[in-house]
Amino acid sequence: GQQVMQIPQYQHVQEGEDFTTYCNSSTTLSNIQWYKQRPGGHPVFLIQLVKSGEVKKQKRLTFQFGEAKKNSSLHITATQTTDVGTYFCAVENTGFQKLVFGTGTRLLVSP
Amino acid sequence: DAGVTQSPTHLIKTRGQQVTLRCSPISGHKSVSWYQQVLGQGPQFIFQYYEKEERGRGNFPDRFSARQFPNYSSELNVNALLLGDSALYLCASLPWGANVLTFGAGSRLTVL
Repeated sequence: GQQVMQIPQYQHVQEGEDFTTYCNSSTTLSNIQWYKQRPGGHPVFLIQLVKSGEVKKQKRLTFQFGEAKKNSSLHITATQTTDVGTYFCAVENTGFQKLVFGTGTRLLVSP
Repeated sequence: DAGVTQSPTHLIKTRGQQVTLRCSPISGHKSVSWYQQVLGQGPQFIFQYYEKEERGRGNFPDRFSARQFPNYSSELNVNALLLGDSALYLCASLPWGANVLTFGAGSRLTVL
């Protein structure tokens, strides 16, 4: 089945440092979604990217979809302790509304 | 408006037992999906239901079953529990035609 890899698996930063997670697929994607899961919580939708090369921003978060629509990145500028959690990318597989989640990147931010 | 509600929030079972998890979708959402999230991994798709019909099934054994009721709520049943079934079971609802998942808080199952 389709696999979606994320790197790094884990990153520990000091508050104020930047953070980036990458999501890679072996196949061309129709779209890609990003979710955040706080420790002990459930995944919460952040954003969806659809177009090749698309860049979207949400305050300190910048999301990018690769030109070939096979990869994506999430960049956080000047991390805060509230950014702690695991960030997942998710792609549609074998049918509409069925998502395959990436392996996730766990972010820890020290004050 | 209430979000996606799941019950129970936590439960402990022993191997071989059966469990039923419940989910109420957001009002107006007719599609419900179930995902299993093992500790340290991303959620894995189990089932999708729309208008009381199964529309998709992930790579899970027949011990896993589900159904959707006329009010669009749903139940996930797991028989003959194994230690490896210990996980957070997430229910997500969405309106038909959309592909963004709104998850409930989940049911955390521990199998001893």
